[in-house]
Amino acid sequence: AIQLTQSPSSLSASVGDRVTITCRASQDIGSALVWYQQKPGKGPKVLIYDVSSLESGVPSRFSGSGSGTDFTLTISSLQPEDFATYYCQQFNSYPITFGQGTRLEIK
Amino acid sequence: QLQLQESGPGLVKPSETLSLTCTVSGDSFSSNNYYWGWIRQPPGKGLEWIGSIYYSGSPYYNPSLKSRVTISVDTSKNQFSLKMMSVTAADTAVYYCGAGTTWGQGTLVIVSS
Repeated sequence: AIQLTQSPSSLSASVGDRVTITCRASQDIGSALVWYQQKPGKGPKVLIYDVSSLESGVPSRFSGSGSGTDFTLTISSLQPEDFATYYCQQFNSYPITFGQGTRLEIK
Repeated sequence: QLQLQESGPGLVKPSETLSLTCTVSGDSFSSNNYYWGWIRQPPGKGLEWIGSIYYSGSPYYNPSLKSRVTISVDTSKNQFSLKMMSVTAADTAVYYCGAGTTWGQGTLVIVSS
């Protein structure tokens, strides 16, 4: 199974900060990567699909990049509603796998 | 807009079978643009993929659960289902159904006697 390793596991930041979360795959997954945001008590919400495509309705401050094994999610200017847990997911091959999550907290 | 809603018992006894249903609305269930799937999240932990099925294809399962899990489709009801046999406390989790990258709100299933 392809392993996804996110870093950092947790992050404290302030409103207005630029934040980057990294997802590293144990093997090449091409562009089959999705980023989710999850808030307490809610299901995961897709932000970015196919590495860098912004889901409809998602603010443009979110962006994704990368290829092969190394990927990043960037939030250009943190807003109060962005404090949540973020997961990457690969669907290049079965079993589908998720990163362990990055918890983004208010500093 | 695609909407998904999980339903099923919130409490299951150890060694019994967990059964959940996902009802799909807002899009053609027979669309071959989606894979229909289940993921779960134990309390305080991360997301785990359980399995997926295409409308007209065979299911794929997480190898760690494959021996206990069945995912099936009922096109007449716009539903797909999850059955997990021989559950233990480790199967206590919020279970989400989804299509592609869209997931429902989830349903908490507690395994306890």
